[in-house]
Amino acid sequence: LAKTTQPISMDSYEGQEVNITCSHNNIATNDYITWYQQFPSQGPRFIIQGYKTKVTNEVASLFIPADRKSSTLSLPRVSLSDTAVYYCLVGDASSGNTPLVFGKGTRLSVIA
Amino acid sequence: DAGITQSPRHKVTETGTPVTLRCHQTENHRYMYWYRQDPGHGLRLIHYSYGVKDTDKGEVSDGYSVSRSKTEDFLLTLESATSSQTSVYFCAISDWTGLYNEQFFGPGTRLTVL
Repeated sequence: LAKTTQPISMDSYEGQEVNITCSHNNIATNDYITWYQQFPSQGPRFIIQGYKTKVTNEVASLFIPADRKSSTLSLPRVSLSDTAVYYCLVGDASSGNTPLVFGKGTRLSVIA
Repeated sequence: DAGITQSPRHKVTETGTPVTLRCHQTENHRYMYWYRQDPGHGLRLIHYSYGVKDTDKGEVSDGYSVSRSKTEDFLLTLESATSSQTSVYFCAISDWTGLYNEQFFGPGTRLTVL
């Protein structure tokens, strides 16, 4: 399974755009990139998943360069409620036989 | 929200006693997982299942066993609980839609082993 590296923590002010970058140098051809969000005392929640280029949904955007060795989760105009831990995972999403591995994530603190 | 429940939600037990945690889903998803979460460690996979009676070990499986006799239930058993197994346990389910694979997590079970 591809190992991921992401910052341990980040701080941001309300209303700013936040970009969290994840490195995955040994990503495999069949691997997807997935991001989860976790609030205290809750299970993680799926944010976005992509394979290449750019993916956007109502919550976030995911930017993946051509070499796919890194990815960036972009959260537009964050609010206090976006304070959470964000996990970057890499793996073959088409096969549940090889579960994705959660790292320690990035703790985002949004400040008023 | 995905139909996934865990029971019990909280449990306090003593060292050496057996403990079984239950995960129940109503989504008919093929894959089910058990994780534990401890401060400073993120989520770590204990066991997972890719079908009825088909299970495999995760990264921290020692001291745990699982069973899946039907699609909707995935049981995690601590044969003889130890204090190091005090943790929050999350169950998750997933399936491949053809476009993406999203894991849905249960509310968690807080287990304390005294």
